[in-house]
Amino acid sequence: KAGVTQTPRYLIKTRGQQVTLSCSPISGHRSVSWYQQTPGQGLQFLFEYFSETQRNKGNFPGRFSGRQFSNSRSEMNVSTLELGDSALYLCASSLWEGGRQETQYFGPGTRLLVL
Amino acid sequence: AQSVTQLDSHVSVSEGTPVLLRCNYSSSYSPSLFWYVQHPNKGLQLLLKYTSAATLVKGINGFEAEFKKSETSFHLTKPSAHMSDAAEYFCVVSETGSQGNLIFGKGTKLSVKP
Repeated sequence: KAGVTQTPRYLIKTRGQQVTLSCSPISGHRSVSWYQQTPGQGLQFLFEYFSETQRNKGNFPGRFSGRQFSNSRSEMNVSTLELGDSALYLCASSLWEGGRQETQYFGPGTRLLVL
Repeated sequence: AQSVTQLDSHVSVSEGTPVLLRCNYSSSYSPSLFWYVQHPNKGLQLLLKYTSAATLVKGINGFEAEFKKSETSFHLTKPSAHMSDAAEYFCVVSETGSQGNLIFGKGTKLSVKP
């Protein structure tokens, strides 16, 4: 099976712009989670989608949003970019069976640089 | 509330010597515990996971971890380090029923000297 794919891999934006990142989960996985990784804060949970519904959200401002499509692909959007949004954004997919989340498998990430 | 503490931010070993990366967790319920590895400029790769079966968990590349409930620990070990093991390692906790929210430790950077 193909792994989790993320596009683009690298992105440079300027302050005030918006950005959309894409994630394609492993085939058959319906749960997609997003994380932000920075040197200062480490890895932090952004949100999780399952069957096109956001089920859980981390402690990030409303500028961070996402969605999931019927084929389980997911996008996240960051509006009005700030310098502090520079980070590696990781997407992970997993099965959800019997009310229990299985292991999350991560993509290679999108490295965003905000100038 | 769940939390994970990785006791060492940096560990340095010589090639061929044992590796010990320490992790303590806090969880109100029955947790799932994971170790992930991240090589430079790469995503996270699952090394192993504990989900309330055997307390000694074997993972990939010769790594293993032991779940000790009384000590709330989940330390990662490997008998003999290889140069390719140099990377950052993350201890992670997830509570049963949580929806996507993995709690990560701050990471331990492992250096391997020739």
